[in-house]
Amino acid sequence: QSALTQPASVSGSPGQSITISCTGTSSDIGGFDHVSWYQQHLGRAPKFIIFDVTHRPAGISNRFSGSKSGNTASLTISGLQTGDEAFYYCSSYSSTSALYVFGTGTQVTVL
Amino acid sequence: EVQLVESGGGLVQPGRSLRLSCVASGFTFDDHAMHWVRQSPTKGLEWVSGINWNSESIAYADSVKGRFTISRDNAKNLLYLEMNSLRVEDTALYYCVKDKDAWVTGRFDKWGQGTRVPVS
Repeated sequence: QSALTQPASVSGSPGQSITISCTGTSSDIGGFDHVSWYQQHLGRAPKFIIFDVTHRPAGISNRFSGSKSGNTASLTISGLQTGDEAFYYCSSYSSTSALYVFGTGTQVTVL
Repeated sequence: EVQLVESGGGLVQPGRSLRLSCVASGFTFDDHAMHWVRQSPTKGLEWVSGINWNSESIAYADSVKGRFTISRDNAKNLLYLEMNSLRVEDTALYYCVKDKDAWVTGRFDKWGQGTRVPVS
């Protein structure tokens, strides 16, 4: 199964906003509103930060927001903080045999 | 607090078997579907298998279908992954993951710390 495509790295200064893209196909992102995002700090387990494209789980900062256009989903982090330095992964339901596919991961660096 | 604690990992030779376990606490286990997701430097994050709350709906990634079996014991709050005919490419950190819902939805809302399975 093919992974969703994310940029390898994105960086920004404290206080700025950054956007991470996640590109799939009409069989996954483009066909369903089942996109989630996960934050993973080095050596830690992934943390659930966005589901169903735009929804935030309880306790997740509103600095994190999600959107989708066509076959591409996006995660925006506003008011960037040093604690946001981590890897970020998207995932989506897929109508192919894979059922659920993950993105390739994006390393966020706060300059 | 939700806790998911995996065990059973360890070095195994190609072709051999291994059973992973995950004990859950801090939530009503039989109200949620559960999954196994693995992570490796070569393949990144990969969904392996999911099981709904009452074990009536089970799904596998093509890469493990026919070799891996997921199961759960709701009375003991335990999730299992029986892995047979292991391959070098199954080498990964295996996470036990809680679904947000009772049915398999892919909303992976809590993750364990993982158990390592090197196949060599």
